[in-house]
Amino acid sequence: DAKTTQPPSMDCAEGRAANLPCNHSTISGNEYVYWYRQIHSQGPQYIIHGLKNNETNEMASLIITEDRKSSTLILPHATLRDTAVYYCIVRDNTDKLIFGTGTRLQVFP
Amino acid sequence: EAGVVQSPRYKIIEKKQPVAFWCNPISGHNTLYWYLQNLGQGPELLIRYENEEAVDDSQLPKDRFSAERLKGVDSTLKIQPAELGDSAVYLCASSFGAGPSKQFFGPGTRLTVL
Repeated sequence: DAKTTQPPSMDCAEGRAANLPCNHSTISGNEYVYWYRQIHSQGPQYIIHGLKNNETNEMASLIITEDRKSSTLILPHATLRDTAVYYCIVRDNTDKLIFGTGTRLQVFP
Repeated sequence: EAGVVQSPRYKIIEKKQPVAFWCNPISGHNTLYWYLQNLGQGPELLIRYENEEAVDDSQLPKDRFSAERLKGVDSTLKIQPAELGDSAVYLCASSFGAGPSKQFFGPGTRLTVL
């Protein structure tokens, strides 16, 4: 079972920050938070992951609350090409990714 | 660097026919995955290989589905016979090493069973 809860859809204006929330209240100490996205007709694409600390890379930032029960993926300047389904996944130290239904982000001009 | 390659991209068959999907992972990636994605849902793992060995096939419906990765590189997923409910996208992914490593996905094969 997916261990995360995400809103089914969100909108964001182009050029603005997109903040995608994820609840993972049952996360355990050795479980990572991963984010993938899936653009229409493509396979999922890795974005970022973290354990406790906030993380940033060229694609996005990941903010994890201190109690680790929720996190937010931030796309600082959303573009039309960021329109996709975003999956938040809690993953232990095995290889298993359990996807939920994700958040469908629509970036509009 | 080439990504994960899958073929065909699209396949339409009649029910009860066999079908096969092929995947070539990223060079050097020893772990290979097959996922099934139904419309509006996230991908679901069918089978995971580490080199030639299937280390997790608990979600593979073994009565009609089979997979192989003979030389630890390319892999084939087969369905025989196909049923209407098998219509979905079949995704292949690969990663380097075991544990919490990034998985790289191919574009998928969209199967339609008529």
